[in-house]
Amino acid sequence: EAGVAQSPRYKIIEKRQSVAFWCNPISGHATLYWYQQILGQGPKLLIQFQNNGVVDDSQLPKDRFSAERLKGVDSTLKIQPAKLEDSAVYLCASSLVDSGWTGYGETQYFGPGTRLLVL
Amino acid sequence: EDQVTQSPEALRLQEGESSSLNCSYTVSGLRGLFWYRQDPGKGPEFLFTLYSAGEEKEKERLKATLTKKESFLHITAPKPEDSATYLCAVQAWDSNYQLIWGAGTKLIIKP
Repeated sequence: EAGVAQSPRYKIIEKRQSVAFWCNPISGHATLYWYQQILGQGPKLLIQFQNNGVVDDSQLPKDRFSAERLKGVDSTLKIQPAKLEDSAVYLCASSLVDSGWTGYGETQYFGPGTRLLVL
Repeated sequence: EDQVTQSPEALRLQEGESSSLNCSYTVSGLRGLFWYRQDPGKGPEFLFTLYSAGEEKEKERLKATLTKKESFLHITAPKPEDSATYLCAVQAWDSNYQLIWGAGTKLIIKP
């Protein structure tokens, strides 16, 4: 079974430029997450999709970050304009859980991440 | 407020020297506790899920245990390839399946 795919793996941009990241989740996974991870910290949730609807985007800096998940499969995360403090690893994860799930905790599976450096 | 604290922040061991990593948590109602391994430049790799106090799971040299307040990841006779950052996360029943993460323990195994 193929895992979560992300691209690009690395990106270097100047501040105030824009950048986009792409994620393809595990086939059949209804829920998709974007995280930001700063060195030495645990991942921080930016946005959670279930199918093509947004479940939670409360920690997404909406003045500069946007995300979409068209057709409930692939997703893109965009930053415009980028700031120095956006330098981090952006992780995409997916899980099977859909709106009908009422069981115990559902595992999230992660992609390799995109390392962003803003100069 | 739901919270996860991992200790120690870093741990250096000699090859073959067994030890344990700690994950203390407070959560309104535990739906699951997750352990992940993260190698430099890679995404977290799933290791275990624990659901209730008293539960234990094993994989090769790793064993995870769970109480009502904390989880331990025991590493028996580690090898250099076990070097990584180990992340702990909890999922609450009222959380929309979101994970509350600890900051991780960086484990270094010296040959």
